[in-house]
Amino acid sequence: GQNIDQPTEMTATEGAIVQINCTYQTSGFNGLFWYQQHAGEAPTFLSYNVLDGLEEKGRFSSFLSRSKGYSYLLLKELQMKDSASYLCAVRDPSDDYKLSFGAGTTVTVRA
Amino acid sequence: DAMVIQNPRYQVTQFGKPVTLSCSQTLNHNVMYWYQQKSSQAPKLLFHYYDKDFNNEADTPDNFQSRRPNTSFCFLDIRSPGLGDAAMYLCATSTTRGSTEAFFGQGTRLTVV
Repeated sequence: GQNIDQPTEMTATEGAIVQINCTYQTSGFNGLFWYQQHAGEAPTFLSYNVLDGLEEKGRFSSFLSRSKGYSYLLLKELQMKDSASYLCAVRDPSDDYKLSFGAGTTVTVRA
Repeated sequence: DAMVIQNPRYQVTQFGKPVTLSCSQTLNHNVMYWYQQKSSQAPKLLFHYYDKDFNNEADTPDNFQSRRPNTSFCFLDIRSPGLGDAAMYLCATSTTRGSTEAFFGQGTRLTVV
């Protein structure tokens, strides 16, 4: 089975930093993905981690610890347009590369 | 250029009338997924294909069927849509060859009247 947990909601101020945590328990592991989704739109890819460590892409960074079953997405220099849902997903090769999502974290950026 | 294409973007169907949603990909990915997403909820996996191997989620209703006639195309058939099936349906692809992201189509918004 698979269990992917992330907080439901977070609020932060424009220009600040927010960290969204994701913990997972899966039978196998072949990568953890972070997606951004605005209401009514398809998810947009943000980052992919398959090895331990930090991946940095502009204002967004993602960290993975496979031994702890833990990842976080770090959003820096928050902008109003970053208000969205952030989805953590894990791919499991032991289940035919099933890709399962957490419930998503709604981030609200305030002026 | 779009790599995962879903048609149509918006679909209105009558209660109980069969409907088919389509997904095509130009990535030659061997894994394809279908998700249902309702308002303010996360995408819920309905089924996925690993090559030709079909994996049905235990809680996917029998009303939902899928076909993958070749690598590039995948279809979602809803045999008798109910009001509760109104949702966004998302198709995604992934590959087991190398490390890469999973790609999503733009989704099909299904309305049942």
